[in-house]
Amino acid sequence: QKEVEQNSGPLSVPEGAIASLNCTYSDRGSQSFFWYRQYSGKSPELIMSIYSNGDKEDGRFTAQLNKASQYVSLLIRDSQPSDSATYLCAVRRVSGGYNKLIFGAGTRLAVHP
Amino acid sequence: NAGVTQTPKFQVLKTGQSMTLQCAQDMNHNSMYWYRQDPGMGLRLIYYSASEGTTDKGEVPNGYNVSRLNKREFSLRLESAAPSQTSVYFCASSPTSGGAYEQFFGPGTRLTVL
Repeated sequence: QKEVEQNSGPLSVPEGAIASLNCTYSDRGSQSFFWYRQYSGKSPELIMSIYSNGDKEDGRFTAQLNKASQYVSLLIRDSQPSDSATYLCAVRRVSGGYNKLIFGAGTRLAVHP
Repeated sequence: NAGVTQTPKFQVLKTGQSMTLQCAQDMNHNSMYWYRQDPGMGLRLIYYSASEGTTDKGEVPNGYNVSRLNKREFSLRLESAAPSQTSVYFCASSPTSGGAYEQFFGPGTRLTVL
């Protein structure tokens, strides 16, 4: 079992719809969770971080965390073609006193007009 | 602020050649990381440096060495390149202080080993 799992997609949604991206993790002790967006040929860009159970909203993006079920999700409202990218989920792991992020393989999102 | 910068952007090597990938950050971050990204494999950690003067192996360190030259700079060296090291390499940095653990990435180096 991978530490951080994401459906590879592609997830195809029409413009204006809500895109829902999901991520599960195996380490129950994980405390910090991040969503990155990566356009083709570009580097990952941080879009959301979430530390507590519940929802966190930032513009059209909402991150949801459920530690009991060990999943974190990202909702994108009013999806635009410019949201088409790969979305990476990352979970912080503390190992030997040092902080590392464990990344999922990413979900490819395609927003069509 | 430039954030995280990497050089070179592209590189083609022949098997057995060596090279150093350079990374610098101007955000006064404590920690720095080197990842490689291959299709379908996601980001895999090669080496990291929790603070100036320390380095440690990540998930896939074989064939690589690193140097944390100072707080700003963290280089990755391939001593004898192999085709299996063809990949996109990303450097990242993180505050790792005050509860801030998010990582910020450089633009990447696309390396091809023939």
